Amino acid sequence: EVQLVESGGGLVQPGGSLRVSCAASGFTVSSNYMTWVRQAPGKGLEWVSVIHSGGSTYYADSVKGRFIVSRDNSQNTLYLQMNSLRTEDTAVYYCSREYSSSSHTRNDYWGQGTLVTVSS
Amino acid sequence: DIQMTQSPSSLSASVGDRVTITCRASQNIDSYLNWYQQKPGKAPKLLIYAASSLQSGVPSRFSGSGSGTEFTLTISSLQPEDFATYYCQQSYRTPQAFGQGTKVEIK
Repeated sequence: EVQLVESGGGLVQPGGSLRVSCAASGFTVSSNYMTWVRQAPGKGLEWVSVIHSGGSTYYADSVKGRFIVSRDNSQNTLYLQMNSLRTEDTAVYYCSREYSSSSHTRNDYWGQGTLVTVSS
Repeated sequence: DIQMTQSPSSLSASVGDRVTITCRASQNIDSYLNWYQQKPGKAPKLLIYAASSLQSGVPSRFSGSGSGTEFTLTISSLQPEDFATYYCQQSYRTPQAFGQGTKVEIK
């Protein structure tokens, strides 16, 4: 059974750092594209970052230069290192597997989300 | 970047109604369009991928159509468990933007 479990969310002051994790089971993280999506309170979904199976990484303009996506193949875990946090980064952060077939990709499995609150 | 616009932002409907949600892309995305359902406090759930392919396990009352820049999600007969927010997402190019969402409420 495929499962994604996020952890590491919490309260952090503006300008601070936090790392959230996403532990996967039932499939291999390093063989898939893995995505981070966030949702501010009462707002819609915002695509944040992706790491490809080959290791290439991409970021939304809103987080570029501040966030880093990575993975630990031995732990089958995805990470999002968030630096220079701003109040507008407050959101539930979801990790998701991006599955591809016939060149069409979609986010077929999602974690339950972890809440990051940036506030003084 | 490609922008996605959904309409309406919200709608009220009754059980048994046929519901249609529209999603427009700011440029041609062929059929690289996915639809998700989200209930309060829960993660999004994939409904439709590649504009019209039904994800495994999703009821057949959900269907998707369109290509290029205009797409629709149709619920043929609204059920109580379908009251939720629906999002489209383009998978044509990174960043894979989402629409702003359409909230389906009980009339």
